[in-house]
Amino acid sequence: DGGITQSPKYLFRKEGQNVTLSCEQNLNHDAMYWYRQDPGQGLRLIYYSQIVNDFQKGDIAEGYSVSREKKESFPLTVTSAQKNPTAFYLCASCLESTVKPQHFGDGTRLSIL
Amino acid sequence: SQELEQSPQSLIVQEGKNLTINCTSSKTLYGLYWYKQKYGEGLIFLMMLQKGGEEKSHEKITAKLDEKKQQSSLHITASQPSHAGIYLCGAGPSGTYKYIFGTGTRLKVLA
Repeated sequence: DGGITQSPKYLFRKEGQNVTLSCEQNLNHDAMYWYRQDPGQGLRLIYYSQIVNDFQKGDIAEGYSVSREKKESFPLTVTSAQKNPTAFYLCASCLESTVKPQHFGDGTRLSIL
Repeated sequence: SQELEQSPQSLIVQEGKNLTINCTSSKTLYGLYWYKQKYGEGLIFLMMLQKGGEEKSHEKITAKLDEKKQQSSLHITASQPSHAGIYLCGAGPSGTYKYIFGTGTRLKVLA
């Protein structure tokens, strides 16, 4: 079955450490997204990518970085510059189209040690 | 910029009761999506609405988009504990592939 796989499910970060969250999809979708979800808040867009080797900052990109070397993969690195990284991170993808729903992975919960 | 407001923020109902969740947009909606999320999990796509007056159903869940395409409602008939979770409305893409989401409605169904 096609879908989006995020790993790991739980991740712990030490002070000053960079961590990378994985997102892989086999839906042949062009666009991929990273969102951050905090309690009581909606999803906030971190980065998105429409095609390979191209990506754009979302609303809260500071302290995060991404790459899109393959269509299937869109890893997110949470750098030490992100001072409040504790959150639930969701990856999504969709077809290149005017109106199409996004498909989501199961998420990664990141906590500070 | 466009915003989505959901109401109520939380809802507790007795099993078997009907309920409605609303999603209001500050601008015309060109694609409105309903998702369900269980705690600690990803979003599951429920339904998509595009046309004014459109209504779709899936099992006991019905979603409608008003004629002006600025408000949508999600109605659950005869709620069950399996309906519990967070329901989010989403819209887009607007501009270059960006989607927006409401803050969600947390539903609890008492058995």
